[in-house]
This record gives sequence, structure tokens and C-alpha cells, in this order.
Amino acid sequence: GQNIDQPTEMTATEGAIVQINCTYQTSGFNGLFWYQQHAGEAPTFLSYNVLDGLEEKGRFSSFLSRSKGYSYLLLKELQMKDSASYLCAVRDNGGYQKVTFGTGTKLQVIP
Amino acid sequence: DTAVSQTPKYLVTQMGNDKSIKCEQNLGHDTMYWYKQDSKKFLKIMFSYNNKELIINETVPNRFSPKSPDKAHLNLHINSLELGDSAVYFCASSQLARQNEQFFGPGTRLTVL
Repeated sequence: GQNIDQPTEMTATEGAIVQINCTYQTSGFNGLFWYQQHAGEAPTFLSYNVLDGLEEKGRFSSFLSRSKGYSYLLLKELQMKDSASYLCAVRDNGGYQKVTFGTGTKLQVIP
Repeated sequence: DTAVSQTPKYLVTQMGNDKSIKCEQNLGHDTMYWYKQDSKKFLKIMFSYNNKELIINETVPNRFSPKSPDKAHLNLHINSLELGDSAVYFCASSQLARQNEQFFGPGTRLTVL
């Protein structure tokens, strides 16, 4: 099975950088995702890592270390609209590649 | 040109009733999912269908019965609704062989009174 841990809440200042960590234990690993979910809305895809290292996409970057069971999402130049929950999700390596979501980190960006 | 759509968006009903939620995707994906997100915002997989075949069936009461009439549709029927069924239900779709992301519908907020 999968076990995923993320901080419950974080607060950061507009214009700053914030790092949201995710650790996981899994019986089989085939990729890690980050999704963003604004209050009252559906989750939307942000990033995907399957190999170790950093994936950069604009203001957002995601890092993966498979040996440590660790990932982080880095948000730069924070904007007020970045206030949302950020969900870490792990895909297993079974035939149907089930994705298990963490409980999410609620990020509040303050002026 | 909505990618994944769900109906209804809100559903308020009494305990013991039976209700259905419908989901449709126009992305040409072969795999569809139902997730439940509770009040603590934990998003948990319930079911997944690939080409109309059930492939993931988590520990869900058998009061919940998914049905996939074709690849583009996955409906969820719930019998004898209970208070604990109150949650937001999200439908999602993906292409299994290229499952790099799932696309989520807008969600159905179910309230059982």
C-alpha cells in the first residue's frame, strides 16, 4: 500500500518562495504527481516526476528523490492566487497504476 | 467544450434515499475514476474503469454501484444513503497507457440529511 505525508497547512508571503514537502512509503512506485486544488474546485495537474531530480515549469518546480521517498513542490514569486491546497499523489507500479493522494497542504499566501 | 462533466453539481437528499451521479468525458480517454473527498479534504479513490471494465474497486460499501455504459461515461449509483456519505464526489479520466495526469470533473457535493 501507499502512505503519504504532507504538512497540513503553510503560510507564506506574496512574492516569496515556499517549499511544500511530501514523503511517501510505497510497496511499488511508478511516479509522483502534484495537483493544485482551489477551495470548492476540482484538483488540477501541476507536475509529474518519475525519475530523480528537478522538473521546472514556470514558477513551479517539483523535485523527487526515490531512494529517500521524498518530493517537494517549490513555488516562486508567490501570488495571492496561489492560495490553495496542494496534493501530493503517488502512482503504484501495478497493472492498473493506482494513484493514491495525500491529505494535501493548504497554503495561504498573505500580502 | 467541457472535458469532464458531472451532474448534478449539488445533491441534497434524505437518509435512506437512492441517488445517482453522472459523469461524461469528451477527451477520448479509456479510463475513468470516482473519488470521494471528505470534510477533511482527503481525496480517496473508490472505483476505476478501463474500457468499461472495473479495474480498481477499493473498500467501498456495496451500496455504491458504478456503471460504465461506454468509455465516455461512468455513473455512480448510491442506495440507502447514510449521513456519512456526505462528501464531494469527483469523477476523473485519463489514458491508462499514458497516465501522466488525471483530468477531474467539477465535483458533486452530496449532502445527506
